[in-house]
Amino acid sequence: EVQLVESGGGLVQPGRSLRLSCTASGFTFGDYAMSWVRQAPGKGLEWVGFIRSKAYGGTTEYAASVKGRFTISRDDSKSIAYLQMNSLKTEDTAVYYCTRGAYDFWSGAYYFDYWGQGTLVTVSS
Amino acid sequence: QSALTQPRSVSGSPGQSVTISCTGTSSDVGGYNYVSWYQQHPGKAPKLMIYDVSKRPSGVPDRFSGSKSGNTASLTISGLQAEDEADYYCCSYAGSYTLVVFGGGTKLTVL
Repeated sequence: EVQLVESGGGLVQPGRSLRLSCTASGFTFGDYAMSWVRQAPGKGLEWVGFIRSKAYGGTTEYAASVKGRFTISRDDSKSIAYLQMNSLKTEDTAVYYCTRGAYDFWSGAYYFDYWGQGTLVTVSS
Repeated sequence: QSALTQPRSVSGSPGQSVTISCTGTSSDVGGYNYVSWYQQHPGKAPKLMIYDVSKRPSGVPDRFSGSKSGNTASLTISGLQAEDEADYYCCSYAGSYTLVVFGGGTKLTVL
């Protein structure tokens, strides 16, 4: 059974940093691109970014709203994906979901087929 | 404002059919056959219901179907059931620069 479990959310002040983790199980983690999608309270879904599998260079892509502030990485030996969030803004307040998959020619898939339960990040002073 | 436009809400009675639209542009929905749909119940994570416009993942009932015409994709749910009441989001590949765009979501109410 595929499982994705996010952790690391919490309350953080504007301008500070936070790192989220996504621990995967039930599939060969290294074979898949992994993505992050967020949802502000009462709002819709917003794609944050993804990291390709090592087979496609392990490169990353980001939404314009987070580019230069957020960094996604992965540790295939531990089946964990990370989202490093720097220079946080109040508008980054959201539930952050880890998902398997990407919308990407190189990854060969155009969907998010499994989602974690999400972790809430609140950016406030 | 979301990149893809969905109706804020739709409703239907049990057993009926409803269709949710998702309108984009030739740079996303109209340009690629990579539209997917996600169902989200309150307080839960989204669930993939349709991908590549009309394909259903294993385990998704065949009451759910997807289609596309021009710049508009559609999700049709036939034989509505109470458990279908949820928010539905469309999502599309949008090319190598923007990559991914979501719709604003549609709340489905089963009367």
